[in-house]
Amino acid sequence: DVKVTQSSRYLVKRTGEKVFLECVQDMDHENMFWYRQDPGLGLRLIYFSYDVKMKEKGDIPEGYSVSREKKERFSLILESASTNQTSMYLCASSSIVRGYSNQPQHFGDGTRLSIL
Amino acid sequence: SQQGEEDPQALSIQEGENATMNCSYKTSINNLQWYRQNSGRGLVHLILIRSNEREKHSGRLRVTLDTSKKSSSLLITASRAADTASYFCAFPIVFYGKLTFGQGTILTVHP
Repeated sequence: DVKVTQSSRYLVKRTGEKVFLECVQDMDHENMFWYRQDPGLGLRLIYFSYDVKMKEKGDIPEGYSVSREKKERFSLILESASTNQTSMYLCASSSIVRGYSNQPQHFGDGTRLSIL
Repeated sequence: SQQGEEDPQALSIQEGENATMNCSYKTSINNLQWYRQNSGRGLVHLILIRSNEREKHSGRLRVTLDTSKKSSSLLITASRAADTASYFCAFPIVFYGKLTFGQGTILTVHP
């Protein structure tokens, strides 16, 4: 069965800390995504990656960076955490068929991050 | 905005009733997908309908797509309390598998 695993379900960090959120998928998918989800704002794409070492900015990349050194792992980094980054973070992956998005995304269970 | 718009924002029904959620979008699309999210969990893919399809069924789910009106609907028949969740439509707008998600409909099914 398809599995996307996020390293933590809940995380509490302090303002100014460097925070790492890890995501691993076991489906050999090319695409991986990081979203944040906030009440009233829906899912917003932070960054995505379509191959190892490749990354593209999503809609709200400011304050974040990503790393994809291996195909199965996609890390989200908060360079200097701020309180407005308190949110639910969701990782997802999908495969590419003929170069277009006709494949579903598979999501992890999310990391609820609180920045104090 | 390129986001999909869903209505209603919230829907409360009794077990056994049908639930209908609607999604509208602004661009031309290749396909439209519906996802479900239980409280505090990740999203789960329910169904994908391609732009050349008008209707698709999966168990108690029925999805329609009207590309001329740029709208889709998700019907859940004979709802159960376990169907209580948020439901999102999503559609691709660019290469590389990127999806845009609607704001979601919160469905509550009372036993």
